[in-house]
Amino acid sequence: DAGVIQSPRHEVTEMGQEVTLRCKPISGHNSLFWYRQTMMRGLELLIYFNNNVPIDDSGMPEDRFSAKMPNASFSTLKIQPSEPRDSAVYFCASTSGTGWRTGELFFGEGSRLTVL
Amino acid sequence: SQQGEEDPQALSIQEGENATMNCSYKTSINNLQWYRQNSGRGLVHLILIRSNEREKHSGRLRVTLDTSKKSSSLLITASRAADTASYFCATETTGTASKLTFGTGTRLQVTL
Repeated sequence: DAGVIQSPRHEVTEMGQEVTLRCKPISGHNSLFWYRQTMMRGLELLIYFNNNVPIDDSGMPEDRFSAKMPNASFSTLKIQPSEPRDSAVYFCASTSGTGWRTGELFFGEGSRLTVL
Repeated sequence: SQQGEEDPQALSIQEGENATMNCSYKTSINNLQWYRQNSGRGLVHLILIRSNEREKHSGRLRVTLDTSKKSSSLLITASRAADTASYFCATETTGTASKLTFGTGTRLQVTL
């Protein structure tokens, strides 16, 4: 299996632009997580899905952030409009946890976002 | 907000020595996991210990869990230069919508 695939690996954009990050989870995994990592705040859980349904989006910073999972093999995290403080590494992770149990997470390599 | 706090924040040892990292957390958990992150890479799962377990081994890794103190430790024995990485504990909190919350991490440097 190719693991969790994220794209793009690097994105540099200007303030105000729309950013879309993409994630393909491991086939057969039923839960998907979006995390953000910064030096100041560490790893923050933004949102997670179970069977394509958003379960907890309490970590989404504000309305500028949105996430979708239209099917079991694809998810997007969108920031519109982007701001310099959104600069971070965004990770997608998936797992085949049973029910609400998380289990072991498999992470992608991350998307490093720089907003100028 | 951070559920787990690792201690120390950074650790430098020589190859062959043992490395011990500690994690403290705040609320009741279902399980606690340890992950490793090499620079510029994603996190990799190392080991999971359930709330009813006290100790677990995997190769050169030994994890302990003390739920009464809300703490865990990760011991890496006979460290190698390739063990240089950041190590994070992550807790799955109890509740109907359990989720994994990561600590602040320990940066381990193993020198030759």
